[in-house]
Order: sequence, then structure tokens, then C-alpha cells
Amino acid sequence: KNQVEQSPQSLIILEGKNCTLQCNYTVSPFSNLRWYKQDTGRGPVSLTIMTFSENTKSNGRYTATLDADTKQSSLHITASQLSDSASYICVVSLLTGTASKLTFGTGTRLQVTL
Amino acid sequence: NAGVTQTPKFQVLKTGQSMTLQCAQDMNHNSMYWYRQDPGMGLRLIYYSASEGTTDKGEVPNGYNVSRLNKREFSLRLESAAPSQTSVYFCASSEGPYNEQFFGPGTRLTVL
Repeated sequence: KNQVEQSPQSLIILEGKNCTLQCNYTVSPFSNLRWYKQDTGRGPVSLTIMTFSENTKSNGRYTATLDADTKQSSLHITASQLSDSASYICVVSLLTGTASKLTFGTGTRLQVTL
Repeated sequence: NAGVTQTPKFQVLKTGQSMTLQCAQDMNHNSMYWYRQDPGMGLRLIYYSASEGTTDKGEVPNGYNVSRLNKREFSLRLESAAPSQTSVYFCASSEGPYNEQFFGPGTRLTVL
């Protein structure tokens, strides 16, 4: 069964600190891996999209890495800010015939405090 | 650009009632999607429309119907609501099936 597992489930860090969120997946055949940020009460917003040939991709203070061999991805947040408090969702795209099928992780809830 | 808009934002229904959730996008995207998000679970695809004039079932289609009214609009209908359909519903759109998906703000539905 295609699955996406994220860890930790939740995380609390002090403002200004760095953190790394993990994502393991078993989706195959794999098309791409996406990280989304979801603020409370809002829809998810895309942070990065990586194909299997990409090892790393950055979007400001967010850097995603991908190891397609071990089927692991991480999202590193540098110099965290209060506005980074949100759920971060790892999403893996299954390569299908006419449309992609996305498998969503349950997310890591990050809280950044003073 | 408003992006993806959804109406209503909140809705309370009684078991057996029907309603339609509306979704519109102004990005000229070809593909549109309906998801539901439940506590402790990842978003799950209900139905999608790869292009205008086509619709297909996703992972959890039972109890729902959809209409791709035109390129901009994709509606989700609950014919006879059940408490198990209490959830937050998100509409999304993308240029094509493999492109980045843009999500709407969601509709929080409670079925009593």
C-alpha cells in the first residue's frame, strides 16, 4: 500500500532556532515529492516540488532534500519565525496514466514560540 | 487574482439533507480536485477533473457527486448527508495533472 509517514507528529521550537522534519514514503512508481505548509484554518500552500532526480530544493528559509534510493525526504527550516507555526505536509505523487495521484502524509505540527 | 475560492466557509446540515459545495478558480487551470481532511488523516481525494468535460473518482467517492460546470467551476454535491461526511473540504486546481496544486481556503462541514 502506498504510504507517506511523517515525523515527528508535533514539534515546539524557540524562535530563531532551526529544525528538520522527516518524511518516509513507500509510493511507487514515484513522480515527485512536494512539501506543503498549512496554516490553521487555511488551505495548504506549496513550498517545494522535487522530481526523483533532484536532491535538494530551497524556497527562502525552507530547504527540502530527497533521497529516492532510501525513499526519504526532509524539510529544514532555518532561523525559524513565529509565522512558521503551521502544519507541514509531505505529499508524494504517484505516476499514473492520465493523472497524478497524490498521497498525503498526516503532517508535522510545528509551533514556534518566543 | 483570487486564486481558488470556495463557498460556503462553514455549513451545518442534518442527516439526510443535501447541499452543494462550490469551487471556482481564476488561473485558467485545466485540472480541479476535491479533497476532504479529517483529524489524524492526510487529505484524501474525493473526485477530480483532469480537464473540462471529464470527471473521475478518487479514493473516497461514495456519497458524493461532482460537476465540472465549465473550466472555472467544479462543484461537489452531497445528496443525502451522513455524520461520516463531517469534515473539512478543500478544492484545488492545477495547470495539469502533474503540476503544482493550488488549494482553496476550505469548507468546514458538520453533519448532525
